Amino acid sequence: DVKVTQSSRYLVKRTGEKVFLECVQDMDHENMFWYRQDPGLGLRLIYFSYDVKMKEKGDIPEGYSVSREKKERFSLILESASTNQTSMYLCASRPYRQGATEAFFGQGTRLTVV
Amino acid sequence: SQQGEEDPQALSIQEGENATMNCSYKTSINNLQWYRQNSGRGLVHLILIRSNEREKHSGRLRVTLDTSKKSSSLLITASRAADTASYFCATDWLQGAQKLVFGQGTRLTINP
Repeated sequence: DVKVTQSSRYLVKRTGEKVFLECVQDMDHENMFWYRQDPGLGLRLIYFSYDVKMKEKGDIPEGYSVSREKKERFSLILESASTNQTSMYLCASRPYRQGATEAFFGQGTRLTVV
Repeated sequence: SQQGEEDPQALSIQEGENATMNCSYKTSINNLQWYRQNSGRGLVHLILIRSNEREKHSGRLRVTLDTSKKSSSLLITASRAADTASYFCATDWLQGAQKLVFGQGTRLTINP
């Protein structure tokens, strides 16, 4: 079974802290994604990566950065956490293939910034 | 944003009834996928329909796709309490870089 693992289920951080959310997948997928989920807004794409050291901005990249030094690991960084970044963060991966492939999700990290 | 829209936002039915959820999107797509999310968890893939397909079945799930109307529907037949979850559609853009764009989701509640 494909496994996507996020480092924490719940996280509480203080305003202004630098926060790292880690995601690891074990199926050698090329594509990895970070989404943010808020009530009534669905899932919004923050950043995605299609290869090691490659990244592209999604719909809401402001206040975030990412790092992909190894194929299996994709990190989301909140440079200076703010209360409006309190949210559920979901990591996903999917293989690159011609045609369609499904995405596999981690269990989510619920981040609270106080 | 190219995010799709789902309708209704919330649906409550009795166990055994059928549930229908709709999804509309804005751009040309390669395929459309449906996912389920149990409360507070990650998403799980349910079914994928390609842009050249009109209907697809998987167990109690039936998905239709109308590319001329840029819409899709998910039908769950003979619903069970375990089907209680949020359901999301996701589109793969025709000219996108393999990123999935999700709708806002439908919250389905099955009452025993």
